[in-house]
Amino acid sequence: GAGVSQSPSNKVTEKGKDVELRCDPISGHTALYWYRQSLGQGLEFLIYFQGNSAPDKSGLPSDRFSAERTGGSVSTLTIQRTQQEDSAVYLCASSLGGASTEAFFGQGTRLTVV
Amino acid sequence: SQKIEQNSEALNIQEGKTATLTCNYTNYSPAYLQWYRQDPGRGPVFLLLIRENEKEKRKERLKVTFDTTLKQSLFHITASQPADSATYLCALDPRYGNNRLAFGKGNQVVVIP
Repeated sequence: GAGVSQSPSNKVTEKGKDVELRCDPISGHTALYWYRQSLGQGLEFLIYFQGNSAPDKSGLPSDRFSAERTGGSVSTLTIQRTQQEDSAVYLCASSLGGASTEAFFGQGTRLTVV
Repeated sequence: SQKIEQNSEALNIQEGKTATLTCNYTNYSPAYLQWYRQDPGRGPVFLLLIRENEKEKRKERLKVTFDTTLKQSLFHITASQPADSATYLCALDPRYGNNRLAFGKGNQVVVIP
């Protein structure tokens, strides 16, 4: 596609439910990142994929968070048993990888846990 | 611990003046440093990348410097315009390891007409 696409753009869920957030990166981009941004805060790194593997999962806040990437393309971030503190904008970015790591961001998914 | 620091206070500047933002970092050895712009409700947009062996980079009205001794980057917007009002984030691209991009919290710029 022309850019990084994320879905849904907004998600309201009840506390305790599971949610899945999807990211379609730019075609040909091997690197994919997930970040979280709370209101008025900076970008909190969650996880990074190079191809289908995730060399760095250090940012996942708890074992309720998991992510996968299949076919070196689409990625899904899953949050189990959501809590109110999970409310934030979840941003996905992709880059060509290698020496050039300019990141292209999607518009984000705004998650609200009520 | 690793830190990337940007001024948390918004920079208010008169139209036409030069806005200068600072990004300081500790316990990083970045191969590259990047600057992004973020508007409310949108994802960050890439502006400039500077390599560790480059002192200065320019793009239109933007100028970035990178001092690896001081562990600091300066971001300048010359002849600022109201449309430049946004939050600007610096990001470090580490030399080794996992290549994850680490972002500062951003610095808001408000250009007053």
